[in-house]
Amino acid sequence: KAGVTQTPRYLIKTRGQQVTLSCSPISGHRSVSWYQQTPGQGLQFLFEYFSETQRNKGNFPGRFSGRQFSNSRSEMNVSTLELGDSALYLCASSLGTMTDTQYFGPGTRLTVL
Amino acid sequence: EDQVTQSPEALRLQEGESSSLNCSYTVSGLRGLFWYRQDPGKGPEFLFTLYSAGEEKEKERLKATLTKKESFLHITAPKPEDSATYLCAVLGVKNTDKLIFGTGTRLQVFP
Repeated sequence: KAGVTQTPRYLIKTRGQQVTLSCSPISGHRSVSWYQQTPGQGLQFLFEYFSETQRNKGNFPGRFSGRQFSNSRSEMNVSTLELGDSALYLCASSLGTMTDTQYFGPGTRLTVL
Repeated sequence: EDQVTQSPEALRLQEGESSSLNCSYTVSGLRGLFWYRQDPGKGPEFLFTLYSAGEEKEKERLKATLTKKESFLHITAPKPEDSATYLCAVLGVKNTDKLIFGTGTRLQVFP
């Protein structure tokens, strides 16, 4: 089975721009979660989508948004980029039941200049 | 609030020198505790899931154990390729599909 894929792998943007990241889950997985990883804060939960609905949300500003399509693929959007948004953005997929293991993709490295 | 603390922050071992990594957690109703390994610049790689106190799981040189307050990742006779950051995360009943991660233990194994 193919693993979780994320595109692009690297992005460089300037402050004020917006960016869209994409995640394709493992086949059959219906839940997609997004995390931000920085050296100072570690891995922090952004949001989770299940069957095209946002099921859970972390403590991030509204500039961070996402969506999920009928094929379970998910996109994450960050508007009005700030320097502090530079991070590794990780997507994880699971079957979506209460105790399922989440499998992570390789991440998208976003650098904001 | 659910919380995870990992110790030590960093660990240097000689090849073959066994040791343990600790993950202490506070969670209102544990649904699962997860161990991941992360190499620099890559996404976390799943290692183990533990669901209840007393449970143990093994994979090659790694063994994970769980009590009601903490989990240990025991590394037996480590090799240089075991060098990585090991992350612990918990899933509680109040946080549907929201993994709470510790800050990790950075392990370096020298030949």
